[in-house]
Amino acid sequence: DAGVTQSPTHLIKTRGQQVTLRCSPKSGHDTVSWYQQALGQGPQFIFQYYEEEERQRGNFPDRFSGHQFPNYSSELNVNALLLGDSALYLCASSSGPQLGETQYFGPGTRLLVL
Amino acid sequence: RKEVEQDPGPFNVPEGATVAFNCTYSNSASQSFFWYRQDCRKEPKLLMSVYSSGNEDGRFTAQLNRASQYISLLIRDSKLSDSATYLCVVNDNNNDMRFGAGTRLTVKP
Repeated sequence: DAGVTQSPTHLIKTRGQQVTLRCSPKSGHDTVSWYQQALGQGPQFIFQYYEEEERQRGNFPDRFSGHQFPNYSSELNVNALLLGDSALYLCASSSGPQLGETQYFGPGTRLLVL
Repeated sequence: RKEVEQDPGPFNVPEGATVAFNCTYSNSASQSFFWYRQDCRKEPKLLMSVYSSGNEDGRFTAQLNRASQYISLLIRDSKLSDSATYLCVVNDNNNDMRFGAGTRLTVKP
């Protein structure tokens, strides 16, 4: 049973560039959430996708956007990168967007913005 | 005030010790609660959900006090493998999960 997978594992970009991160949910899951985790902090919720639509969004600017595909996989796009966007980006999947549904995390993508 | 606040760490305890972590949350409408553990440079993994009646899983006991908006995690008979960062997670009625900053635990021989 494949767990949540993310790609790439590491990425280095420069300020102003754009980046796309990818996530495949755990088998049987249809809901994907994205989180940003800065060093020494807990994950911060970016947004959640279900049925190819953004269902919930955290306090992140419009530079952060996403997409969900018919096979439930998802992408996170960040435009006009800032130094402060350097973080671990985590994808979590769950079986539906229902309240309290357990989320399973992928290994994350470490983004460094220079 | 942060939405989810945890005990500042780190906690350094000997093997076999009992250690307790506390967490408070600000949104009284919060609906569900969890403890996750995160090993160094790894992803968070669900440790246990927290129910109003309290729940136990082996050496781990979680408690919820809705009136005080307080969650706790008790680890008995600590093992070296318990060394990790423990994240308190609160799911509010908008269904986005709010994480605390985490408390780091190191269990020493």
